[in-house]
Parts: sequence; structure tokens; C-alpha cells
Amino acid sequence: DQQVKQNSPSLSVQEGRISILNCDYTNSMFDYFLWYKKYPAEGPTFLISISSIKDKNEDGRFTVFLNKSAKHLSLHIVPSQPGDSAVYFCAARGTSGTYKYIFGTGTRLKVLA
Amino acid sequence: SQTIHQWPATLVQPVGSPLSLECTVEGTSNPNLYWYRQAAGRGLQLLFYSVGIGQISSEVPQNLSASRPQDRQFILSSKKLLLSDSGFYLCAWSRQGEQPQHFGDGTRLSIL
Repeated sequence: DQQVKQNSPSLSVQEGRISILNCDYTNSMFDYFLWYKKYPAEGPTFLISISSIKDKNEDGRFTVFLNKSAKHLSLHIVPSQPGDSAVYFCAARGTSGTYKYIFGTGTRLKVLA
Repeated sequence: SQTIHQWPATLVQPVGSPLSLECTVEGTSNPNLYWYRQAAGRGLQLLFYSVGIGQISSEVPQNLSASRPQDRQFILSSKKLLLSDSGFYLCAWSRQGEQPQHFGDGTRLSIL
């Protein structure tokens, strides 16, 4: 049973526009969420995180939104750049104090020049 | 700054052969260490994690094992590889608490 779901396997966006990547989770006990970016043949790189006590966290062009009632989080990239083309994973951590992070299956973002 | 090294980058092994993948972290002490596997078209699956030397927790039953002989060294092993062990193996580290994990560049393992 997939507890963290990224239902869109791919997304194409024009350069300069907004990219919105979505992630849904099923476990209301998740308290910490992260987004990673992955280029081919490399390990994932941490992008941004959000604690369950917040509903928004911003870092430069990247903003993560958390809707706990809907068990949904999203990553907004504004403006999108060709270098943002990569696979994006969302991840959630179980109850506080555990070390287990559950990852989604990823969304491949392609930013068109 | 902290760095994580993982090798080899690619590995081709016959079925039934042993495996040893090594991961080391520099620039930090007492890190939490993790081994993940990414099978084709799937997310990252946590295999093992360690909060200290000799302390290993296994997340899924399998024919793989992990060891942490030193504070910043994490080893993934198998005595006999199966075809289903093919995949992309990633080592990661993190500090305690609400900290993100930082990944190595992975090992692409192909079993023939």
C-alpha cells in the first residue's frame, strides 16, 4: 500500500511559468515532509521541507504548501527554468522520533525553453 | 562541509555471487545512516537504517544485510544475489531530529 503518492508521473512546463508538483499521503501521523530533486545517475538532492505545524515554507523560487486536512502537499517552482528539469520526489516521515522516510514514486518535470 | 561517498557507481554481478557496497560520510560525527533501493519505476524503498555503530534496523525481509563497523561507514552485503536484487542502491545520512537526508550518487546494480 503506497502511503505517499505522486499521481502524475510527468509534467511539462514552459520556461518562466509556474511548475506545480503534487503529492498525497494517507497517514495522518506523518509530521515532516520533504521534496527532493534527482538528476539521472545521481542521488536525490534535498530541496525544501515543511513541518506539520506549518502550512507553507518558501525558499527562493521553491515553495511547499501543506494541506493537512486534505493530506496533500505541493511544490511550486516560480519561475521554472530549464535546469529544473529532473525527477522530483516527495517524502514523509512517520511519527516524530522515527527515522523512517517514505518516498513517493516521483514526477518527471520537463521545463521547455 | 559534509560529503558522502558511495562506490562503485555501477556493478554487474552474476546470480548467486556475493555483494559488498560501501558508503562513507565525511565532515560529521554520529550520523544516522540509511540504505535505500529504487527499483525501476518505483519510489525509494528504505532497506536499513543505523543510529550508531553496530546498531542496524531492517525494514524489509530480504537476502541483504547491513553493517556499520565504524561511525561513518555503512556497508550493504549479500551472500548470494538474486535477480530481484537488481536496482539502484542509495546510501544517505542525516543528523538527529527533523533533518533531511543527504544522498550519495548511488550504485546501479545489475544481476545477470
